[in-house]
Amino acid sequence: NAGVTQTPKFQVLKTGQSMTLQCAQDMNHEYMSWYRQDPGMGLRLIHYSVGAGITDQGEVPNGYNVSRSTTEDFPLRLLSAAPSQTSVYFCASSDGQLSNQPQHFGDGTRLSIL
Amino acid sequence: GENVEQHPSTLSVQEGDSAVIKCTYSDSASNYFPWYKQELGKRPQLIIDIRSNVGEKKDQRIAVTLNKTAKHFSLHITETQPEDSAVYFCAAWTGSNYKLTFGKGTLLTVNP
Repeated sequence: NAGVTQTPKFQVLKTGQSMTLQCAQDMNHEYMSWYRQDPGMGLRLIHYSVGAGITDQGEVPNGYNVSRSTTEDFPLRLLSAAPSQTSVYFCASSDGQLSNQPQHFGDGTRLSIL
Repeated sequence: GENVEQHPSTLSVQEGDSAVIKCTYSDSASNYFPWYKQELGKRPQLIIDIRSNVGEKKDQRIAVTLNKTAKHFSLHITETQPEDSAVYFCAAWTGSNYKLTFGKGTLLTVNP
């Protein structure tokens, strides 16, 4: 199993551009989530999904959209990139929709907005 | 929502000493408390976790304790080694809203 795969690993955008960060998992996990990591701030939840067709907002959802059309994929869209969105983005998945299970993280996407 | 406080933000110890990192949480409905280790430029990796029906859990040199009444949990690393140097994050899972809330991290440095 590949686990959680994120693409791209690095990206530089200009202010106002849009892009999609891809996340795929091959573990048949119901729960998937996106976090951003900024220095001194830990990991903050952007959006999460408890299963295909179901998404909800986390702590810092503004400026981001998600969808979950399949169990495997959970893309994160930046609609109009802003310098404040410069960060490292991690996707994670865990087994079980409602249960407390370990989260498996991808390798991250390092995003810079100029 | 849940709030997780983590202390200290930095911790420096000598090789062979013990290290303790403490976290408090605010939501009494939280029932799962994982700890992650993150090396520079890498993904967070789970090192140990504890559920609310358990007070203590140990895995070789790593142990976690949970005090539900006081809403705090701690990570204990014994016989520290230079390869233990990393950022450690605590987190609390609240099943009522399906969210995992992280502390801000502790940079642990183990000096040879």
